[in-house]
Amino acid sequence: DIQMTQSPSSLSASVGDTVTITCRASQGISNYLAWFQQKPGKAPKSLIYDASSLQSGVPSKFSGSGSGTDFTLTISSLQPEDFATYYCQQFSSYPITFGQGTRLEIK
Amino acid sequence: EVQLVESGGGLVQPGGSLRLSCAASGFTLSSSWMSWVRQAPGKGLEWVANINQHGSENYYVDAVKGRFTISRDNAKNSLYLQMNSLGGEDTAVYYCARSTGNYAAAFQSWGQGTLVTVSS
Repeated sequence: DIQMTQSPSSLSASVGDTVTITCRASQGISNYLAWFQQKPGKAPKSLIYDASSLQSGVPSKFSGSGSGTDFTLTISSLQPEDFATYYCQQFSSYPITFGQGTRLEIK
Repeated sequence: EVQLVESGGGLVQPGGSLRLSCAASGFTLSSSWMSWVRQAPGKGLEWVANINQHGSENYYVDAVKGRFTISRDNAKNSLYLQMNSLGGEDTAVYYCARSTGNYAAAFQSWGQGTLVTVSS
């Protein structure tokens, strides 16, 4: 199984900041990487697929990069609604696996 | 507008069975791979199973193989998850998810989830 490791596990930031979350795969997954946002008690929201392609309707403040084993999600100009938990996920091979999540909190 | 609405969750005793449904609207179900993803209370996301557009190909996480069966009825715009031999480790919110394009598991849209609680 491919293990996905996110860092940091939690992150404190202020409104207006730019933050970067890292996701590392235990083996190469090309660009078969997605990112999701989840708020408490809500379903996940899809942000990015293919490492850097924005899902329809997702604002450009979210950007993704990377290939192989190392990936990043960058969120610019943080707003109150951006504080949530973020997950990466590989869809290169079965079983499909997610990172453990990064909790983004308001400082 | 794409909508996925899960139903069928509830309280079930260990060893019992449950069938989840996911009603799809706003898109042509037969055009998409579909998945079930679960989230145990306070935990992260876990992919459970997926199925191709015509129901001829499916995959499962090892933890549910032989106990869960994913299926679909495109004519009824519905996805299903038959869950047998349930244990406490299956307690979770279960989400159905639609994949982007022809990808098997690049999730684009999610339902609101249905809670399954396995307890005596």
